[in-house]
Amino acid sequence: SQQGEEDPQALSIQEGENATMNCSYKTSINNLQWYRQNSGRGLVHLILIRSNEREKHSGRLRVTLDTSKKSSSLLITASRAADTASYFCATFGSSNTGKLIFGQGTTLQVKP
Amino acid sequence: DTGVSQDPRHKITKRGQNVTFRCDPISEHNRLYWYRQTLGQGPEFLTYFQNEAQLEKSRLLSDRFSAERPKGSFSTLEIQRTEQGDSAMYLCASSLLTKSYNEQFFGPGTRLTVL
Repeated sequence: SQQGEEDPQALSIQEGENATMNCSYKTSINNLQWYRQNSGRGLVHLILIRSNEREKHSGRLRVTLDTSKKSSSLLITASRAADTASYFCATFGSSNTGKLIFGQGTTLQVKP
Repeated sequence: DTGVSQDPRHKITKRGQNVTFRCDPISEHNRLYWYRQTLGQGPEFLTYFQNEAQLEKSRLLSDRFSAERPKGSFSTLEIQRTEQGDSAMYLCASSLLTKSYNEQFFGPGTRLTVL
């Protein structure tokens, strides 16, 4: 079963603009992760934010986490055409198994 | 390239045929996961191994599905009597169980099309 909703489902922007994607989840978490998937390929881990963190940065990525609202956002600043991909948030189903539960994803298109 | 490989990358089969996929994880990783992803959806967990032991299976994994990791290294996922609903991308991931969180590294996936 999917963990929650991602919003928007699709996003189209011009190169240089910022892109913001949102994710909601259902259960309590220890951490939340964001992954990128280029068309028809495997997933690449982008960033992890722990439940006691509110914001985290990595290069052009900024992730926020609001555990009271069970939501997270991913901001990509100064987007590039190479950022075109699908982005998924994921949480662990349980701390013992390590299995990931993914959202439905946001498809981002960055136009050159 | 994450270091996780999957073979084949694409498989087209007719309904009712059996198919087998292989996953080679990063060599020192003791956990291996299989996920299934249909078009427009996020990956869904199927099963996972810790070393050679299969420790959890999703309800998505019907009796027609079987997975093995015989020596705690590579893994195979077999689907018997394939159905059109089995058409999907099958993703494998591996991780190293440590005291802290274990990052999963994904392979490129095997795309299955059942005609």
